[in-house]
Amino acid sequence: QITLKESGPTLVKPTQTLTLTCTFSGFSLSTSGVGVGWIRQPPGKALEWLALIYWNDDKRYSPSLKSRLTITKDTSKNQVVLTMTNMDPVDTATYYCAHRQASYYFDYWGQGTLVTVSS
Amino acid sequence: QSVLTQPPSVSAAPGQKVTISCSGSSSNIGNNYVSWYQQLPGTAPKLLIYDNNKRPSGIPDRFSGSKSGTSATLGITGLQTGDEADYYCGTWDSSLSAEVFGGGTKLTVL
Repeated sequence: QITLKESGPTLVKPTQTLTLTCTFSGFSLSTSGVGVGWIRQPPGKALEWLALIYWNDDKRYSPSLKSRLTITKDTSKNQVVLTMTNMDPVDTATYYCAHRQASYYFDYWGQGTLVTVSS
Repeated sequence: QSVLTQPPSVSAAPGQKVTISCSGSSSNIGNNYVSWYQQLPGTAPKLLIYDNNKRPSGIPDRFSGSKSGTSATLGITGLQTGDEADYYCGTWDSSLSAEVFGGGTKLTVL
C-alpha cells in the first residue's frame, strides 16, 4: 500500500526559503521507473506542477520556477525534499507530493500541506 | 493561464451523463497520454483515468476517458451527488519538458 505525506513549515516569511519533505512508504525510489513529483494548488485555483525526481536521479522542473527549485531524494530514508527559494505571498498554496510510475500520471497523492507566505 | 483548456464548470441532473473536455496541442495531448483527476472538496486529487482511457482499480466504469487529436474528454454517466468535485486533466508537454494540467472543471450535480 503506497502512502505519501508532506511535512514542513505552515508559515514562511517573504524572501525566505521553503523546505518541504515528502515521506513515503510502499515503494522504493531505487526501483526502475519510479518517480516522485511535487504539485501545488493556491487556494481556489488550479493544480500547478513544480518538480519531478526519478529513481535514476533524473530531475525535471517547471520552466517558470526552475531557478527557485531544487528537488533531491534520500532513498535510504524514503524521502524526497523540495526547496523553493525567495518565497512570495503568491506562493501561498497547498503543496502535494505524488508517486509516478514510469508513465504520464500521478497515481498516489499525499494529503497536502498548506504553506502560507506572510510577514 | 493553463496550457490545457477546460470549461470552468459543467452541470447535470442526477442519473444523467456529462462530458468534460480538455484541449491542448501537438506538444502535449497530441503526442502524450492524458490522465484525469478528481478532487473532492477539501481533499487531495485522486487519479481517475490514466493513459487516455484506463481506469485504476476501484474506479467505477461510470467514468471513461477518450482522446482524439489534441483533445481529450472525460465522461461520467449515472451522475451521483457524490460526483460533485473539481476535475483536472493532465499530461506531459514535450516542448516545455513539463507536466501540465488543465484549469479544472467544477462539476455540479443539480
